[in-house]
Amino acid sequence: ETGVTQSPTHLIKTRGQQVTLRCSSQSGHNTVSWYQQALGQGPQFIFQYYREEENGRGNFPPRFSGLQFPNYSSELNVNALELDDSALYLCASSVDRTSGNTIYFGEGSWLTVV
Amino acid sequence: GDSVTQMEGPVTLSEEAFLTINCTYTATGYPSLFWYVQYPGEGLQLLLKATKADDKGSNKGFEATYRKETTSFHLEKGSVQVSDSAVYFCALRDQGAQKLVFGQGTRLTINP
Repeated sequence: ETGVTQSPTHLIKTRGQQVTLRCSSQSGHNTVSWYQQALGQGPQFIFQYYREEENGRGNFPPRFSGLQFPNYSSELNVNALELDDSALYLCASSVDRTSGNTIYFGEGSWLTVV
Repeated sequence: GDSVTQMEGPVTLSEEAFLTINCTYTATGYPSLFWYVQYPGEGLQLLLKATKADDKGSNKGFEATYRKETTSFHLEKGSVQVSDSAVYFCALRDQGAQKLVFGQGTRLTINP
């Protein structure tokens, strides 16, 4: 149990639709990151939010966007879904941005695009 | 850019066997190194970490030593159990960087 909770756990969407995934970070953590894990691969960094501002972005197109709220919970939005967006989406939180701090992951949201 | 290369899987061992999963990395700075474990249907759990050269991370009988000279962070366990069956990911976080960079994962299966 890491204290990071994600919803929904599973969902199926049609190509071209939009999806919103949600994450509650561990209590006291102000930094949230999102990762995409395709089947059989390691997680890939999408972006990070620190105190409600985007604080770094991986190699993902602009149709991947996010928000962080004053309570440090976060959303990942993906527009114009493509079949290759099918993956496990992981939310992770840490107490701040310092690179040595432990990053805690949620159990993920499985997205299937058909 | 930063990268992590892990031993190709899958790996299948008998219970009580010795385990080594190799991990090497490339980084521009002085990264922190991590091993995460993912049990079936679950998210990632931190197994152990090391933040500077020659540090040894350890947890639940697993160990890994940060070797700067060989840019390696191999995972070892002296006697594996069926419950250790999972996918193991080596990862790094470079100094000042926002993201974890993961290897491709190694699937481990332990047979009774």
